[in-house]
Amino acid sequence: AQSVTQLDSQVPVFEEAPVELRCNYSSSVSVYLFWYVQYPNQGLQLLLKYLSGSTLVESINGFEAEFNKSQTSFHLRKPSVHISDTAEYFCAVTLRNSGNTPLVFGKGTRLSVIA
Amino acid sequence: DAGVIQSPRHEVTEMGQEVTLRCKPISGHNSLFWYRQTMMRGLELLIYFNNNVPIDDSGMPEDRFSAKMPNASFSTLKIQPSEPRDSAVYFCASTDRAPGGYTFGSGTRLTVV
Repeated sequence: AQSVTQLDSQVPVFEEAPVELRCNYSSSVSVYLFWYVQYPNQGLQLLLKYLSGSTLVESINGFEAEFNKSQTSFHLRKPSVHISDTAEYFCAVTLRNSGNTPLVFGKGTRLSVIA
Repeated sequence: DAGVIQSPRHEVTEMGQEVTLRCKPISGHNSLFWYRQTMMRGLELLIYFNNNVPIDDSGMPEDRFSAKMPNASFSTLKIQPSEPRDSAVYFCASTDRAPGGYTFGSGTRLTVV
């Protein structure tokens, strides 16, 4: 079975500072990896995903994540955060090439951007 | 498309009462998932359906929970009888064949008093 560990439950950061949200996964087989974002009182929204190809993937709002197979990590980074990035971020994994098997989520990291 | 629609948005009920949560997935999506979110346990998968057929319900906490998907456009999650420990936000999500490309509903916040 797969599992996801998000090492930080809360990350406070000042506006325009860089941030890294850490994610490690465990799986005996190949996986797809995802980051989802949840704004207050809303459902989760897909931020970015790694399926294959380049190990560095980017979102439209400046986030990026790099798949590192040897370290089984998929950390999320942004060079300069905005107040509007305040949200909870979830890392998730699912089995590769297995149809619509469910996502397994980490427990989330609450990012608080301070003005 | 209006996205995944869940109702009600909020539900407050007394212990022992029956609760029914509803979900309308995105048209054309063939998989539907029910998740429960709590502070202590995070997001837990309760059950999922492929083409209206339940595939894995091992995450359903106990026999008080049941879920149905009578057709491709509707699913329900029922709790009978409800207990205070069932208080949580319940999310429904749907997807087509794209891996991990879930669309989540806005959730139902259930409070059992």
